[in-house]
Amino acid sequence: IQLTQSPPSLSASIGDRVIITCRASQDISRYLAWYQQKPGKAPEVLIYGASTLQSGVPSRFSGSGSGTDFTLTINSLQPEDFATFYCHQLLGYPYTFGQGTKVEIK
Amino acid sequence: QVQLQESGPGLVKPSQTLSLTCTVSGGSISTADYYWNWVRQHPEKGLEWIGYIFYSGNTYHNPSLKSRATISIDTSKNQFSLDLTSVTFADTAVYYCTRERILEWSNHFDIWGQGAPVIVSS
Repeated sequence: IQLTQSPPSLSASIGDRVIITCRASQDISRYLAWYQQKPGKAPEVLIYGASTLQSGVPSRFSGSGSGTDFTLTINSLQPEDFATFYCHQLLGYPYTFGQGTKVEIK
Repeated sequence: QVQLQESGPGLVKPSQTLSLTCTVSGGSISTADYYWNWVRQHPEKGLEWIGYIFYSGNTYHNPSLKSRATISIDTSKNQFSLDLTSVTFADTAVYYCTRERILEWSNHFDIWGQGAPVIVSS
């Protein structure tokens, strides 16, 4: 199952709303997670089940979608949010990840 | 809280076997609530899933690795391991061990190790 993220990168300012999309090559229901990875660090889960916020993750992060089309939204971008974001499907093996979206400071 | 820590050589010669171990602390590996996975990340690239193991020993790995990967578990030591045979320069990457939380409606990787950088070089 291939996952296509867009855009590959974006520049945004503090306080902006950011939307990242992830499209699956086949129906994956809601078996999708989103991760944030900062340079030199391991990824951390933000969202699972397409829309469930992981405990401890700020509420400015939200996820939506089902089937083949999913979005990760960051409301009011904060300085600590600049990172690379990955979507991840866990419906079928082999598990696959999107290619990543790098969010940079404008 | 549960923590995962990778260990193993940071340098491996081409054609040899890469061996990494993940030690789980703060909780038992012998639980039906989780799968134990390996993921790697090539330099400046995205994430690639390698495979998983369950505490019972059930395992599955990514076919893209052409049967070079073996994942094993030692419940007495609370560890699981990855062996990758016949390595090439293309296996140079940061290797992560992760815990997959099993839910009826959606799993996810909720805890990750810090990552073990491995360089394949002669």
